[in-house]
Amino acid sequence: DVKVTQSSRYLVKRTGEKVFLECVQDMDHENMFWYRQDPGLGLRLIYFSYDVKMKEKGDIPEGYSVSREKKERFSLILESASTNQTSMYLCASRVGTNNSPLHFGNGTRLTVT
Amino acid sequence: AQTVTQSQPEMSVQEAETVTLSCTYDTSESDYYLFWYKQPPSRQMILVIRQEAYKQQNATENRFSVNFQKAAKSFSLKISDSQLGDAAMYFCAYRSITSYDKVIFGPGTSLSVIP
Repeated sequence: DVKVTQSSRYLVKRTGEKVFLECVQDMDHENMFWYRQDPGLGLRLIYFSYDVKMKEKGDIPEGYSVSREKKERFSLILESASTNQTSMYLCASRVGTNNSPLHFGNGTRLTVT
Repeated sequence: AQTVTQSQPEMSVQEAETVTLSCTYDTSESDYYLFWYKQPPSRQMILVIRQEAYKQQNATENRFSVNFQKAAKSFSLKISDSQLGDAAMYFCAYRSITSYDKVIFGPGTSLSVIP
């Protein structure tokens, strides 16, 4: 089974802090994703990566950056956390074939105070 | 741009009964993929079922089946013989074959199962 591991289930940070959310997958998947989940809005794509050191902006990249130095690891960075970034963050990965599904981590509930 | 709509924010079903969750989408493309994902209270999202748009036959996975109506741009999920473990948020998702790896999710339907 594919395992996608997010380093924290809950995080509480202060406004202005730099925040790192880490995600690791163990199935050699080419593609990795960061989503934000908010009630009534579903999942919105922040960034994705289709290869090491490659990244593409999703629908809501403002205020975020990402890093993919190794194939198995995809990090989401909040350069200066703000209260409107309080949310659930989901990492996902998938094989780079057309109909392959996303495999998700357990999510990180981030609260910015 | 493609959009996915789930018009039922909340649904409930009696245990052992059947329930249908609705999903509609908007696209100008002729080929694409559709998915239903389930997110139980434990939070890990898992795939329930997938459908390729070029396939006319509706996908089925055990108690889960879809009613794919391409012309109507409708992709509903039917859960038969509902079980307590089916209680979860269900998300409908659309994936274009031309827009690299962009999956668009609906807002979700929260399903409760009544014992």
